[in-house]
Amino acid sequence: AQSVAQPEDQVNVAEGNPLTVKCTYSVSGNPYLFWYVQYPNRGLQFLLKYITGDNLVKGSYGFEAEFNKSQTSFHLKKPSALVSDSALYFCAVRALQNTGGFKTIFGAGTRLFVKA
Amino acid sequence: GAGVSQTPSNKVTEKGKYVELRCDPISGHTALYWYRQSLGQGPEFLIYFQGTGAADDSGLPNDRFFAVRPEGSVSTLKIQRTERGDSAVYLCASSLTGQDHLSGANVLTFGAGSRLTVL
Repeated sequence: AQSVAQPEDQVNVAEGNPLTVKCTYSVSGNPYLFWYVQYPNRGLQFLLKYITGDNLVKGSYGFEAEFNKSQTSFHLKKPSALVSDSALYFCAVRALQNTGGFKTIFGAGTRLFVKA
Repeated sequence: GAGVSQTPSNKVTEKGKYVELRCDPISGHTALYWYRQSLGQGPEFLIYFQGTGAADDSGLPNDRFFAVRPEGSVSTLKIQRTERGDSAVYLCASSLTGQDHLSGANVLTFGAGSRLTVL
């Protein structure tokens, strides 16, 4: 089955420290991978995507993610966390369906808490 | 408009009632999606429109759920005979191209959601 897994319900990090939010996936074919962020009472916002090319992709707000094909992972990273980064983060993948079409499926989310 | 607009933002209804949730996508976006997000879960795919037609409705949980997009812009998600288990935040998103587009550039722009509570 095609799926996205975010193994951590919550990640806690001190402000100024690097952060990593983990994501692994299982899809057929080449994956198109995305990260979205959800702030309280706001809709999901796009952060970054990997389609092809350089395994390290850079996105909004200083975030970046590294695609690792052998480990089927797409971890989200930031060198120095800010308190304002505290939010819910979702990994997503565009997955090929049995019908031949595609569908974007989301992980369960990881809550990032950055402490001042 | 500048973003995806969803109304109502909150809807409280009684079990067995009928509800409609509206989504106004970004102008010019041909693709529109409905997702459902339950507490502590990620968005769950419901249905995807390309223009006026439902290209993929495989995520609709049962025949109480129906969605339309008659003019290829605004969409309405309709839920008949609501049940307590339907309580969730219903998210609408739009994208410039559909998710079947080979470019894969279909970044989804989400609305703030409609929170449905069935008592």
